[in-house]
Amino acid sequence: DIQMTQSPSSLSASVGDRVTITCRASHSINNWLAWYQQKPGKAPKLLIYKASSLESGVPSRFSGSGSGTEFTLTISSLQPDDFATYYCQQYNSFIYTFGQGTKLEIK
Amino acid sequence: QVQLVESGGGLVKPGGSLRLSCAVSGFTFSDYYMSWIRQAPGKGLEWVSYISSSGGTIYYADSVKGRFTISRDNAKNSLYLQMNSLRAEDTAVYYCARQAWGGQGIDYWGQGTLVTVSS
Repeated sequence: DIQMTQSPSSLSASVGDRVTITCRASHSINNWLAWYQQKPGKAPKLLIYKASSLESGVPSRFSGSGSGTEFTLTISSLQPDDFATYYCQQYNSFIYTFGQGTKLEIK
Repeated sequence: QVQLVESGGGLVKPGGSLRLSCAVSGFTFSDYYMSWIRQAPGKGLEWVSYISSSGGTIYYADSVKGRFTISRDNAKNSLYLQMNSLRAEDTAVYYCARQAWGGQGIDYWGQGTLVTVSS
């Protein structure tokens, strides 16, 4: 199975900061990668699909890049609503896998 | 609007069984692949299983293979997860989720139902 490794596992940042989260796959997944945001007690929300495509309704400060085995999620200017946990997910193989998550906290 | 509503969670003893249901509305259910994804308390997301639109293609995570069975009834707009031989490590919130067309990720999620496996 394909393993997904996210880094960092937690991150403290301030409103207005630029933040980057990395996700590495154990094997090439082409661009079959999605990013999700989850807030406590809520279901995850799709932000990015196919590594770099922005889901409808998601603010343009979110962007994704990468292909193969290395991917990044960037938030260009953090807003108060962005403090949450972020997960990557690969769907290249029939067995989907998620990264372990990155908790983004207010500094 | 798209809605996915899970039910059937609860407290069950180790070795017991439970059947989760997910009732969907707001879209043509028979056109979409569906997944179950779970999240143990305080932990990350774990994909459990998915089923194709017709039900003809099914995959499971190794952690549940042989114990869980996913199914769907397109006439009833419902997705199911039969869970047998439950273990303490199966304790989690279970989410029903819709897979968008064309490899566009998982675009809709239910609110989740909690399954607790404990004696």
